[in-house]
Amino acid sequence: DVKVTQSSRYLVKRTGEKVFLECVQDMDHENMFWYRQDPGLGLRLIYFSYDVKMKEKGDIPEGYSVSREKKERFSLILESASTNQTSMYLCASSPPSDDNEQFFGPGTRLTVL
Amino acid sequence: QKEVEQDPGPLSVPEGAIVSLNCTYSNSAFQYFMWYRQYSRKGPELLMYTYSSGNKEDGRFTAQVDKSSKYISLFIRDSQPSDSATYLCAMSALDSNYQLIWGAGTKLIIKP
Repeated sequence: DVKVTQSSRYLVKRTGEKVFLECVQDMDHENMFWYRQDPGLGLRLIYFSYDVKMKEKGDIPEGYSVSREKKERFSLILESASTNQTSMYLCASSPPSDDNEQFFGPGTRLTVL
Repeated sequence: QKEVEQDPGPLSVPEGAIVSLNCTYSNSAFQYFMWYRQYSRKGPELLMYTYSSGNKEDGRFTAQVDKSSKYISLFIRDSQPSDSATYLCAMSALDSNYQLIWGAGTKLIIKP
């Protein structure tokens, strides 16, 4: 079974804190994605990576950065958390042959106070 | 106007009913159409995947694409309480550069 794990299920941080969300996949997938999911807005792509050390901006990269030092790990960084970054964050991976078939982690519910 | 429109529901139906879930879209370049299912407190999982127009059946699930109307549907026959979830449509074009365009999701409740 493909497994995508995320470092935390629930996280509470204060405004201005630096936040790290980590994602690990065990299927040797080249492609990895970070989304946020908000009610009524669906999934919005923050960043994606199609190879180690490669990254591409998605639709809403402002306020976020990413790191991919190893193939299996993709980290999302909030440099200075703000209350409008309170959301569900979902990580996904996909094989190079088909980026439409994405495998998701369970999500991290981040609350910024 | 969003590129993909999906009624958020909730849609509540009795067990055993046929369920119809739908999305409309505006970009005629979309060629790949997916339905993902998301249970509460879980990540989405791919349920159905079709290319271009036509129907695809998998057990109790049928995905239908009408490109002329820019309309896709997911039908669930003999619905079960375990089908209660949020269903998200997603689509992409041939030159999408890894990006899927997502609907907001429809919450489905199957009442025993």
